[in-house]
Amino acid sequence: GENVEQHPSTLSVQEGDSAVIKCTYSDSASNYFPWYKQELGKGPQLIIDIRSNVGEKKDQRIAVTLNKTAKHFSLHITETQPEDSAVYFCAASKNPGYSTLTFGKGTMLLVSP
Amino acid sequence: NAGVTQTPKFQVLKTGQSMTLQCAQDMNHNSMYWYRQDPGMGLRLIYYSASEGTTDKGEVPNGYNVSRLNKREFSLRLESAAPSQTSVYFCASSERGRDEAFFGQGTRLTVV
Repeated sequence: GENVEQHPSTLSVQEGDSAVIKCTYSDSASNYFPWYKQELGKGPQLIIDIRSNVGEKKDQRIAVTLNKTAKHFSLHITETQPEDSAVYFCAASKNPGYSTLTFGKGTMLLVSP
Repeated sequence: NAGVTQTPKFQVLKTGQSMTLQCAQDMNHNSMYWYRQDPGMGLRLIYYSASEGTTDKGEVPNGYNVSRLNKREFSLRLESAAPSQTSVYFCASSERGRDEAFFGQGTRLTVV
């Protein structure tokens, strides 16, 4: 089955800095790659996603890049703010139209004022 | 607009006891899912229901059963709880043909 590796497990940055979280996947049939943000005591919430026919996608301060050849994708957050502090999960799926996701183990992002 | 609602939020069980985790969504989604989240493990898919009347196993189905009661509700049952089932359980739903999953707030289950 699919295996998703995520690094780093924790990331500390100063407010205003950029943060980058990287994931690799094993199944070349995977074609959908979402990123979820989980705040303490809450369920994960989708923040951005990318499909295999796209190399990069941006939404304000966040962006995701995908390298299908190398089977890795990354989340980029610019101008970080304290409210960006949370656990971020990458995931992969090869079941289009359904959220049968394989998740990475998560990255705890801490943004210090 | 409640989204995905899970009950209960917290539960402590003794080994061997049974219980059912309830999940309901008010977004008229066709597909529903149960994930478990363990420290350092991310989320893992237990079971899912692509549409009303169907259920399929995910990555870690052993020790669980599910029921898709109707379009809104999808329950997860532990017949004989084990300490290894101590976890946070998340229910999610998605619209057919759309990949985005909407998650509930979770049920924290402890089996002693």
